[in-house]
Amino acid sequence: EPEVTQTPSHQVTQMGQEVILRCVPISNHLYFYWYRQILGQKVEFLVSFYNNEISEKSEIFDDQFSVERPDGSNFTLKIRSTKLEDSAMYFCASSGFISSGNTIYFGEGSWLTVV
Amino acid sequence: AQTVTQSQPEMSVQEAETVTLSCTYDTSESDYYLFWYKQPPSRQMILVIRQEAYKQQNATENRFSVNFQKAAKSFSLKISDSQLGDAAMYFCAYRPLFNSGGSNYKLTFGKGTLLTVNP
Repeated sequence: EPEVTQTPSHQVTQMGQEVILRCVPISNHLYFYWYRQILGQKVEFLVSFYNNEISEKSEIFDDQFSVERPDGSNFTLKIRSTKLEDSAMYFCASSGFISSGNTIYFGEGSWLTVV
Repeated sequence: AQTVTQSQPEMSVQEAETVTLSCTYDTSESDYYLFWYKQPPSRQMILVIRQEAYKQQNATENRFSVNFQKAAKSFSLKISDSQLGDAAMYFCAYRPLFNSGGSNYKLTFGKGTLLTVNP
């Protein structure tokens, strides 16, 4: 079964450093998402991406965050200057045509620890 | 804005017995999808079951079934013959069918219910 893959599975970084989290969505999917889950809390939407541009972003997704799909397969989340409160599990997700009712499929997550 | 409420932070069940996890949601839309995701200790998000709001029949997947009450905006998950491997955090989630109000089909999650299965 096709799956969303994420790298790295775990990263430790110093506060103020830049981090790039990588994702390979399911091929032929059209909609891409990043979600975040701080330990013990609910899963929060960060950003959605469609047709090579951001289609929606949450209040969490401020200027220190950016996303891009550089080569038609990878989908990356960059955090420019990490803060302690950015420590969380980051999930990439993708889905196909909405009209077909396709489900959003999640990757296994990238666990980011900022020290 | 849509909201999803899971009123049970924790539940426990004996192995082989049945447990029901509750979920309510609020939306002004008439067509949407509802999901239950399972998150084991590995923290991966695994789809358990999906329900289309326009379908009256409740979805089932092996030991997992839902009780979808559209008028009451309720979407509970029933796990039959519980197994030790069912122990996990369970999240209820809502997704609109149409991109109205700029929602862009994103999922809105509840806070989750931690299910413990006792041997």
